[in-house]
Amino acid sequence: GQQLNQSPQSMFIQEGEDVSMNCTSSSIFNTWLWYKQDPGEGPVLLIALYKAGELTSNGRLTAQFGITRKDSFLNISASIPSDVGIYFCTCMNYGGSQGNLIFGKGTKLSVKP
Amino acid sequence: SQTIHQWPATLVQPVGSPLSLECTVEGTSNPNLYWYRQAAGRGLQLLFYSVGIGQISSEVPQNLSASRPQDRQFILSSKKLLLSDSGFYLCAWRGGVGYTFGSGTRLTVV
Repeated sequence: GQQLNQSPQSMFIQEGEDVSMNCTSSSIFNTWLWYKQDPGEGPVLLIALYKAGELTSNGRLTAQFGITRKDSFLNISASIPSDVGIYFCTCMNYGGSQGNLIFGKGTKLSVKP
Repeated sequence: SQTIHQWPATLVQPVGSPLSLECTVEGTSNPNLYWYRQAAGRGLQLLFYSVGIGQISSEVPQNLSASRPQDRQFILSSKKLLLSDSGFYLCAWRGGVGYTFGSGTRLTVV
């Protein structure tokens, strides 16, 4: 079955530092999604990527859809305390077979002021 | 617009007591609905999903059950809670791109 590996598992950084996390899949997909879960809340969609090689930004967040269509990374620049939370990746074939999404195990981000 | 409601937000229940968590979706019809559990702020474990009224698929055998009595209502239940049932429970529906999650229920079994 499909496997999704997300790393790192956790990060402890100083406010102002940049953050990078990534996700790799055992299969090829046409859509990558990144979610953020604030403490005590449900995950919220941050960025959706639809094209291999695509680089998309959302404020201080930048995500890329890998050329091989098997990986994606998420960067956060100049981190701030409200970036704290768990970041999840997932991938799917948008417009195709609607199987259940598989989520990565998450990257837990802690930011020290 | 579509919204998802999940309640209660927090629940403390004694071991052996029953459980009922409710999730409703508004603004859409025949959604795919999901129940997830998250232990200790880590990964999302899919418990149940439903593609329609009365249709429930279980991903992990356990002390819990799910029901879908109406198109936009999804209920997570247990007849007798165990300590290991403690966790953060999330309901989600599939629409557009990806899933939209509810705000979660923090369940503590004591």
